[in-house]
Amino acid sequence: DAGVTQSPTHLIKTRGQQVTLRCSPKSGHDTVSWYQQALGQGPQFIFQYYEEEERQRGNFPDRFSGHQFPNYSSELNVNALLLGDSALYLCASSSTGRAFFGQGTRLTVV
Amino acid sequence: GENVEQHPSTLSVQEGDSAVIKCTYSDSASNYFPWYKQELGKGPQLIIDIRSNVGEKKDQRIAVTLNKTAKHFSLHITETQPEDSAVYFCAATETYNQGGKLIFGQGTELSVKP
Repeated sequence: DAGVTQSPTHLIKTRGQQVTLRCSPKSGHDTVSWYQQALGQGPQFIFQYYEEEERQRGNFPDRFSGHQFPNYSSELNVNALLLGDSALYLCASSSTGRAFFGQGTRLTVV
Repeated sequence: GENVEQHPSTLSVQEGDSAVIKCTYSDSASNYFPWYKQELGKGPQLIIDIRSNVGEKKDQRIAVTLNKTAKHFSLHITETQPEDSAVYFCAATETYNQGGKLIFGQGTELSVKP
């Protein structure tokens, strides 16, 4: 079992650009959640996808959007990048209950 | 809104000692409380969890206790080892069955000195 995999592992973008991050859930999991983790902080919930629809959303602007595919994999898109979007972006997958995290994508906005 | 407070922010112990990390949550509807260990450059790893219908759970050197009345839960690590050094996060959610929306504490950096 490969666990939760995310790509890319690191990314550098310029202010104003757009970025897409990808996540493949753990085998047997149908729910994907995305979190943003700033340096020295706990992860903050962005949104969750289930059955290809956004089920829950945290307190993040509309610049953050996502998608879930029929195979349960997911993408996180961020438009009009700001310096403050620099963070570790984590994907977590679950079926019912326990959430398992990937290794994250480190996004740096310059 | 929902909030989880975690203390202490840093904890240093000698190898073999015990370590205790405490969290308080605000949402009385919370029904699931996981603990994660995060090593440098890695994603959070689930180490133990507890549901609201249980007061205590133990897995080898790690235990978690829950006091629903006081809205407190704690992580206890006994016989600490250098490889226990990491950042530990508590979390809470009211949507356990949907596997969703974890509210995290701010983290505790645990250092175990040989």
